Amino acid sequence: DTAVSQTPKYLVTQMGNDKSIKCEQNLGHDTMYWYKQDSKKFLKIMFSYNNKELIINETVPNRFSPKSPDKAHLNLHINSLELGDSAVYFCASSQGPSYEQYFGPGTRLTVT
Amino acid sequence: GQNIDQPTEMTATEGAIVQINCTYQTSGFNGLFWYQQHAGEAPTFLSYNVLDGLEEKGRFSSFLSRSKGYSYLLLKELQMKDSASYLCAPKVAGSYQLTFGKGTKLSVIP
Repeated sequence: DTAVSQTPKYLVTQMGNDKSIKCEQNLGHDTMYWYKQDSKKFLKIMFSYNNKELIINETVPNRFSPKSPDKAHLNLHINSLELGDSAVYFCASSQGPSYEQYFGPGTRLTVT
Repeated sequence: GQNIDQPTEMTATEGAIVQINCTYQTSGFNGLFWYQQHAGEAPTFLSYNVLDGLEEKGRFSSFLSRSKGYSYLLLKELQMKDSASYLCAPKVAGSYQLTFGKGTKLSVIP
């Protein structure tokens, strides 16, 4: 039973397209996150979402928008994809801010 | 803001002990996480230190000194499978977001 799952695992698309990555957790956690890991392996927080409160890292372009249909899901929608968006995107969840985060397997996005 | 520093790479021999350091300057510091990330995989939780001192968990131990802004991860009896990146992440009180260090890539050689 997968705790945090993401789809798709790989996503190849062209510049200018709009795409979504889905994330689901079956742990009953209240908080979910999206991270971006670039080619230099630097893992950076993009968003956290807790009980309908969205916290956005100020460096994230507004082309990125998280959407949470319910507590178990936090999807990432990206508009007008750019070459620099190529990275691995990880979804994660936790019971709260002082608890360990469980990461999904990641989605490798390649923008051509 | 935060400033997190870890060595970029380390190499150690199978069976040996290695210490991975992390220094941080974090306003509102409230604890520090360590995560392990194997190449091509997701990060996995190793430890969370809130109080000063050493916490041991099997072959892995983590140390924290809040006054010095310093933590280390100690790996004993190294195994080849310990080859991975190790990420430290200081936590800010009241924040849900973690800022990770750039990670230390550990290579374990025979």
